[in-house]
Amino acid sequence: AQKVTQAQTEISVVEKEDVTLDCVYETRDTTYYLFWYKQPPSGELVFLIRRNSFDEQNEISGRYSWNFQKSTSSFNFTITASQVVDSAVYFCALSEHLSGSARQLTFGSGTQLTVLP
Amino acid sequence: DTAVSQTPKYLVTQMGNDKSIKCEQNLGHDTMYWYKQDSKKFLKIMFSYNNKELIINETVPNRFSPKSPDKAHLNLHINSLELGDSAVYFCASSQEGTQPQHFGDGTRLSIL
Repeated sequence: AQKVTQAQTEISVVEKEDVTLDCVYETRDTTYYLFWYKQPPSGELVFLIRRNSFDEQNEISGRYSWNFQKSTSSFNFTITASQVVDSAVYFCALSEHLSGSARQLTFGSGTQLTVLP
Repeated sequence: DTAVSQTPKYLVTQMGNDKSIKCEQNLGHDTMYWYKQDSKKFLKIMFSYNNKELIINETVPNRFSPKSPDKAHLNLHINSLELGDSAVYFCASSQEGTQPQHFGDGTRLSIL
């Protein structure tokens, strides 16, 4: 069975600080996919990034960056120069093969990020 | 242009009733899903469905049943609602299981 752990339940930072959200996963698959989603106070789930297990290259998108390390089974997310609008619950998720073409997406418990002005 | 839409947004009903939540996606995706998010924000897969197979999370009570009239719709029917069914239910879709899932805005179900 697969598992995703987001040990940080809540994080508070002051605007313009950098913040890193941790994600550690467990899987038996050799091919898998990792995701980050954002859930702002309005409640919708917004896709941020997808990473497959064969691509360990780090990615940067504006103020967002992701560090995927297969050796430690981690897929951490860093927000640089945080803004109040970044306040949300952030979910890490793992997609693992089930059967046939079916895959299962398992979410971590989420990290509530609060950015204070 | 809403990609994944679910209705209603809010559903308040009494224990014991039967209710349905509708979900439609206009992305042409081949796989649709239902998730339950509890009061602690924990998201759990309930069903995964494409036109070939239905995968059911074994922890989901059989009072819950997905119904798919066509590839673009996956409705969730719930029989004999219980207090513990109160949650936010999210519909999602993806092209195959490896691609990002796109979520609807959620349906907040409250059982009185």
